[in-house]
Amino acid sequence: NAGVTQTPKFQVLKTGQSMTLQCAQDMNHEYMSWYRQDPGMGLRLIHYSVGAGITDQGEVPNGYNVSRSTTEDFPLRLLSAAPSQTSVYFCASSYPSSRGYTFGSGTRLTVV
Amino acid sequence: RKEVEQDPGPFNVPEGATVAFNCTYSNSASQSFFWYRQDCRKEPKLLMSVYSSGNEDGRFTAQLNRASQYISLLIRDSKLSDSATYLCVVNGGGSQGNLIFGKGTKLSVKP
Repeated sequence: NAGVTQTPKFQVLKTGQSMTLQCAQDMNHEYMSWYRQDPGMGLRLIHYSVGAGITDQGEVPNGYNVSRSTTEDFPLRLLSAAPSQTSVYFCASSYPSSRGYTFGSGTRLTVV
Repeated sequence: RKEVEQDPGPFNVPEGATVAFNCTYSNSASQSFFWYRQDCRKEPKLLMSVYSSGNEDGRFTAQLNRASQYISLLIRDSKLSDSATYLCVVNGGGSQGNLIFGKGTKLSVKP
């Protein structure tokens, strides 16, 4: 099992550009989430999904879109990148139980 | 009040020491509780779930007090490899998919 795979690992964008961060898991997990981590702020939830076709907003959803067309994939779209979106982005997945999330290795995004 | 609060530390302890981390959460409807560890520039990794009855995994013991909305993690006989940031995690009430992370407590174990 590959677990949770995030691509790309690093990305530099110019302000106003759009892009999609990819996340795939091969563990048949129903739950998937996107977090961003900034110094001094901890991990903050952007969007999450409890199953294919179901998504919901987290703490900091503005500027991001998600969709969940399959169980395996949960891409995060940046609509118009801003310097405030410079961060480390983590995707995570879990069974719908008290087992906790498994995280991908992260995408380090810089917006200039 | 923040949803999940932790002492940011850092905690600097010698090898072999016992160290305790505390965490409080604000949502009384929360049902799932976890401790994660995160090494520098790495992803968070699940250390252990926390149950009302308390649970132990080797040198690590986690406790939950629902009445006080308080979670703890005890590390006995600290090792150099325990140096990391420890994250308290609580589900945000309602959906199990909505996990809220504390900002973490940094632990540094010295020789």
